[in-house]
Order: sequence, then C-alpha cells, then structure tokens
Amino acid sequence: DAGITQSPRYKITETGRQVTLMCHQTWSHSYMFWYRQDLGHGLRLIYYSAAADITDKGEVPDGYVVSRSKTENFPLTLESATRSQTSVYFCASSEGWPVNTEAFFGQGTRLTVV
Amino acid sequence: AQKVTQAQTEISVVEKEDVTLDCVYETRDTTYYLFWYKQPPSGELVFLIRRNSFDEQNEISGRYSWNFQKSTSSFNFTITASQVVDSAVYFCALSEAGSNQFYFGTGTSLTVIP
Repeated sequence: DAGITQSPRYKITETGRQVTLMCHQTWSHSYMFWYRQDLGHGLRLIYYSAAADITDKGEVPDGYVVSRSKTENFPLTLESATRSQTSVYFCASSEGWPVNTEAFFGQGTRLTVV
Repeated sequence: AQKVTQAQTEISVVEKEDVTLDCVYETRDTTYYLFWYKQPPSGELVFLIRRNSFDEQNEISGRYSWNFQKSTSSFNFTITASQVVDSAVYFCALSEAGSNQFYFGTGTSLTVIP
C-alpha cells in the first residue's frame, strides 16, 4: 500500500537502552522528517532529511541519531534512551524544493522509557 | 522566537456554534507556505489546507474556511456549524522558501460539546 508507515506503533524500553524507530514511505518523496509531540510543546522537529545521505538537525536533536541510506527509509535511533524521551514520535515525508507541499505523516510511535 | 503562534490552547464550543482558530506567523521570506493540520483523538495528522504567500484569497471548503491576511501575518481557520467530529487538535504550520522544514504551532485543542 502506498503511504508512510512507522514501526513499531508502541514501544516500551528501559533507560539506557538503544531503540530504533522505523519509517518507510512509498512515494519517493525527497524530504523526510522526525517530530516528537509532547503536551504543551506541539510538534518539535528532531531531524530532517532533504534526500538520501543528507540529514540535518532540527530543534531538539540531542540524544537522537538518524540515517538515510535509501530514499524510502528514515530510521530514528535513540542511542541511550532517557525518560525525557518518552513521547509520541511522528515521521513525515514531503515533496518539493523548498518544502512547499504538504507533509504526509505516519501513524506515530508511542514510546515509553521506564 | 516562535515562528508560528497559536495562542488558543483549548477551546470548547457547543455543537452548531461557529469557531475560529487563530494562527499568527513570523517570517522575513517573501515566499512561504502555510498549512493547517487536524489531529483527531485517534492520533493521526490529517492535512487540511496549504496556502502560498502570493495567494491571499480566502478559501472555503464545506464548513471550513480560511482567512489569510498578510498585513497581520495571520492565517485563521473557521469552522461553521461545528460538529462533534470536529473535536481535535488543530495545528498551523509554516514553511519558508529559504528553509527545508516545517515549523508547527503548539496546536489548539477544540472540543465540540453535543
């Protein structure tokens, strides 16, 4: 099915563990984004990518690592999870340069760090 | 400074009332794009509208209408004859020609009471 999918949908992990959130899109959109959503903060950009092998930091990149070896995939890794990283994570993709078309969002991953 | 401000954190209206959600943005670019997204209780983010900076025409789509005013840097969203299904968090977003990312407001939580 065409679209953008995130996995897992729900994840519980322990403090200090490494965890990777997956994002896959089927449109071959150039841009991909990772946001976290927290109460009172709305959506905050963690990292984004303008194309394969091109990534850049967003507003809250500390503690996260991304890679984009293929256009369709944009995994987000928490190297050593902390409780403050408990959040809902959204992946999105968009086409256009500059970003002038809407972003399409995945269903979100609810991550709990205990 | 916030590029997108949604000053209304929460709004409650009674069904069939009209409601306007405010969005004020800040940019120095002459070319930019504005968006509204809806996040229903199920959690996904749904694109509603995109507007570019050169098109100040107001738009109407069914019960939804948008008022774009460059003079006040506002892009307000009005729901006419609100329904319970309109209950959601609504996000306004900005993308600038000189940037490769979206800037989201903190969202307005709308509750429509039957």
